[in-house]
Amino acid sequence: DAMVIQNPRYQVTQFGKPVTLSCSQTLNHNVMYWYQQKSSQAPKLLFHYYDKDFNNEADTPDNFQSRRPNTSFCFLDIRSPGLGDAAMYLCATSRAGKTYEQYFGPGTRLTVT
Amino acid sequence: AQRVTQPEKLLSVFKGAPVELKCNYSYSGSPELFWYVQYSRQRLQLLLRHISRESIKGFTADLNKGETSFHLKKPFAQEEDSAMYYCALRFMEYGNKLVFGAGTILRVKS
Repeated sequence: DAMVIQNPRYQVTQFGKPVTLSCSQTLNHNVMYWYQQKSSQAPKLLFHYYDKDFNNEADTPDNFQSRRPNTSFCFLDIRSPGLGDAAMYLCATSRAGKTYEQYFGPGTRLTVT
Repeated sequence: AQRVTQPEKLLSVFKGAPVELKCNYSYSGSPELFWYVQYSRQRLQLLLRHISRESIKGFTADLNKGETSFHLKKPFAQEEDSAMYYCALRFMEYGNKLVFGAGTILRVKS
């Protein structure tokens, strides 16, 4: 089945220790998104790629970076995780012409100790 | 700032009862509204969009621009409707991105 895969599903990192979350897709969609979702809150868009074009949200901290080496893969790098970065991180994809229909991965639950 | 408000964190109804999940938005232009759903142990997925005016799994939603609302309704709840429901807004000035509400858990009791 075509899908969006996120690895790992659970990630524990130490305060200040860099961490990378990964997302891959077999849908061949050209748009990929990263959302942060804290408990009982709305998913909040961090950034998205339109093909290779990177689009950062204005309020996304500099601590969060992303890479998209090819159509299938996208990475979220947190350079120095703080306790406030503990959250569920959701990756999603969409076709360029149907960005309202986003296909989500299962998410990575990040814990910062 | 454009926002989506879902006033109820949890809505609990009995099987066969009507369901209304509330969504209000703040945007002065012409919005596009959507409902997304996440069933237990499944991914977040699109349920319906206002522009298509369709019924999906018995759910409908009407955009009321006067009240800036997009409530999700179903006349007779089923146990399999139990899930987390998110309302989402898309508007021109924000490109093709979605703004989500915080979600409402729907529990349908037997």
